[in-house]
Amino acid sequence: EPEVTQTPSHQVTQMGQEVILRCVPISNHLYFYWYRQILGQKVEFLVSFYNNEISEKSEIFDDQFSVERPDGSNFTLKIRSTKLEDSAMYFCASSDQGSNSPLHFGNGTRLTVT
Amino acid sequence: AQSVTQPDIHITVSEGASLELRCNYSYGATPYLFWYVQSPGQGLQLLLKYFSGDTLVQGIKGFEAEFKRSQSSFNLRKPSVHWSDAAEYFCAVGAAEYGNKLVFGAGTILRVKS
Repeated sequence: EPEVTQTPSHQVTQMGQEVILRCVPISNHLYFYWYRQILGQKVEFLVSFYNNEISEKSEIFDDQFSVERPDGSNFTLKIRSTKLEDSAMYFCASSDQGSNSPLHFGNGTRLTVT
Repeated sequence: AQSVTQPDIHITVSEGASLELRCNYSYGATPYLFWYVQSPGQGLQLLLKYFSGDTLVQGIKGFEAEFKRSQSSFNLRKPSVHWSDAAEYFCAVGAAEYGNKLVFGAGTILRVKS
């Protein structure tokens, strides 16, 4: 069964540094998402992306965050200047029909900001 | 505002016993409903989904869930739990009217005792 893959599985960075989290969605999917889960808390929506542009973003997704689909397969989340509170598990997801179809999630990248 | 409530943070059941995990939602639109499972260090795996039609839906691993509109609930059930079912379970709700994002409950951690 096709999978969403995320790299790296764990990223440690110093406060103020830029990080890029990478995702390869399922190949025929058209909708892409990033969610995050701070340890012990809910899974929270960050951003959705369709047709090469952001279709929706949450209040968490401020100017420090950006997403990009640099080629036909990758979908990246960039955090420009990491803060301690950015430490979380970041999940990439994709679907073929937006909210009308289930999201397929990757295994996540655990980001630790020190 | 949309919200999803999973009232039980932890549940412990004996292997072979039946299981019911509760999920209630508050939405101003016809929802799409999902249950995901997360094993430690893993991503979110879709167990089952409800979009329309039969309110009792079957999922993988022997799970089922029933959509009750009058109670705004979508409880997950399994008649006989296996030790490998120990994981965290998330209810999630989406609606076309609210764009592409899912709103997740806080999760229920299932422990299985032998």
